[in-house]
Amino acid sequence: AQTVTQSQPEMSVQEAETVTLSCTYDTSESDYYLFWYKQPPSRQMILVIRQEAYKQQNATENRFSVNFQKAAKSFSLKISDSQLGDAAMYFCALYNQGGKLIFGQGTELSVKP
Amino acid sequence: GAVVSQHPSWVICKSGTSVKIECRSLDFQATTMFWYRQFPKQSLMLMATSNEGSKATYEQGVEKDKFLINHASLTLSTLTVTSAHPEDSSFYICSAGPGENEKLFFGSGTQLSVL
Repeated sequence: AQTVTQSQPEMSVQEAETVTLSCTYDTSESDYYLFWYKQPPSRQMILVIRQEAYKQQNATENRFSVNFQKAAKSFSLKISDSQLGDAAMYFCALYNQGGKLIFGQGTELSVKP
Repeated sequence: GAVVSQHPSWVICKSGTSVKIECRSLDFQATTMFWYRQFPKQSLMLMATSNEGSKATYEQGVEKDKFLINHASLTLSTLTVTSAHPEDSSFYICSAGPGENEKLFFGSGTQLSVL
């Protein structure tokens, strides 16, 4: 069975500072994808960043980067130079081809001006 | 980027009636579509996975006869909530894929309110 765990229900960061959101997962598959999605108050799911399990290099998208530790089954998201617009609910998700897309419990991020 | 259209955005219905929600992939062929339910301040709970041309696979605890899912084409999946009750009131979201680079794309969601 696939599981995704986000142990931080809420996080807060000062504008322009850096914050790291944690995520651990479990799967028996060797080929899978990991995602971080952002869900603002509009409730539209927005893809933040994606990591293929077979790639050792950590994915980076502008101010967003991940720390992917495959052996530890850990997939944390680092947001640098936090902006007010980054405030949202963040979900970690696990997907294997032909399988399911499973989400963690979510972390609500607030950004203080 | 790929677009997934979900309609309607809002629907209010009377208890006992049925409601159909559509999820369309507009610029790619979605072999797989996922349907989720989300309560306020909670995560997306997977209800079912549908593959084009085959029966949907429902998650444990999801009533197949209540939540009818049809994925008759590579661009359209529908979720029908049959004999809706107030406890079915929720936010429903679809996801379609795989698109470019194995990405999955989301509809904008449907808020269902059953009176």
